[in-house]
Amino acid sequence: DAGVIQSPRHEVTEMGQEVTLRCKPISGHDYLFWYRQTMMRGLELLIYFNNNVPIDDSGMPEDRFSAKMPNASFSTLKIQPSEPRDSAVYFCASSQTGNEKLFFGSGTQLSVL
Amino acid sequence: QKEVEQNSGPLSVPEGAIASLNCTYSDRVSQSFFWYRQYSGKSPELIMSIYSNGDKEDGRFTAQLNKASQYVSLLIRDSQPSDSATYLCAVKRLTGGGNKLTFGTGTQLKVEL
Repeated sequence: DAGVIQSPRHEVTEMGQEVTLRCKPISGHDYLFWYRQTMMRGLELLIYFNNNVPIDDSGMPEDRFSAKMPNASFSTLKIQPSEPRDSAVYFCASSQTGNEKLFFGSGTQLSVL
Repeated sequence: QKEVEQNSGPLSVPEGAIASLNCTYSDRVSQSFFWYRQYSGKSPELIMSIYSNGDKEDGRFTAQLNKASQYVSLLIRDSQPSDSATYLCAVKRLTGGGNKLTFGTGTQLKVEL
C-alpha cells in the first residue's frame, strides 16, 4: 500500500488567497484526521471523519476553514481566505476501527505571505 | 491545563545512556497511550502503545504507565544518535471520540556522540 498520500507537499500563497489541501487515506481505513502542527501549539486536531461523515470539527479554528470527504478515498481541507497565521504543517492521517494506530501522510508545508 | 503535557526539551543524553521522556495527562477517562517519534521534517510514526498500568518493553524501548498519577513515560536504553528526534505522547479517551488521539507538544531528544 502507498500509505496516506497528501498534496501538495509545499504551498506558498499570499494572504487572502484560497488554499486547498488534499488527502487520500489508506484503502480500507474508515477514520480520517486533519492535524495542524506548529512549534508553539504542537500537533492539533482540526477535524476527523468516520465513514466519510464529519464527527468532530471543534478544532477548526474559524469559519475560514472547511473540510470535506466526498468518498472513502478522498478528503480536502480548504482555507478561504488564508492568513499568515495559518502558516503551519498540515497532516492528514488515517486509521481503522479496531486498530488505534494512526498512519500519517507526509504533510503539507503551508506558507501564507 | 493542557490535556497532554510534555517538557519541550531539548533533552540531551550521551550515546549509550538511558533517555527518559515524560508525559502527564489531565483526563482520567483516558484509556490508551501512545508514543510517536518524529524526525525533523518528517511525519510522526508510532513506536509504542500501552494500555494497562506497569511496564511494556519492546527492544530498547520501555513504556511505563501509572494511571493513578496520570503519568506515562518512555525509556530508551543504549541511546543512539539515530534516536535523535521529537517524541510525541498521545492519549485516547475511554469512551467517545472513536479513534481520536490528543497529542502533547513533544520532547526533543538529542543523543550526542
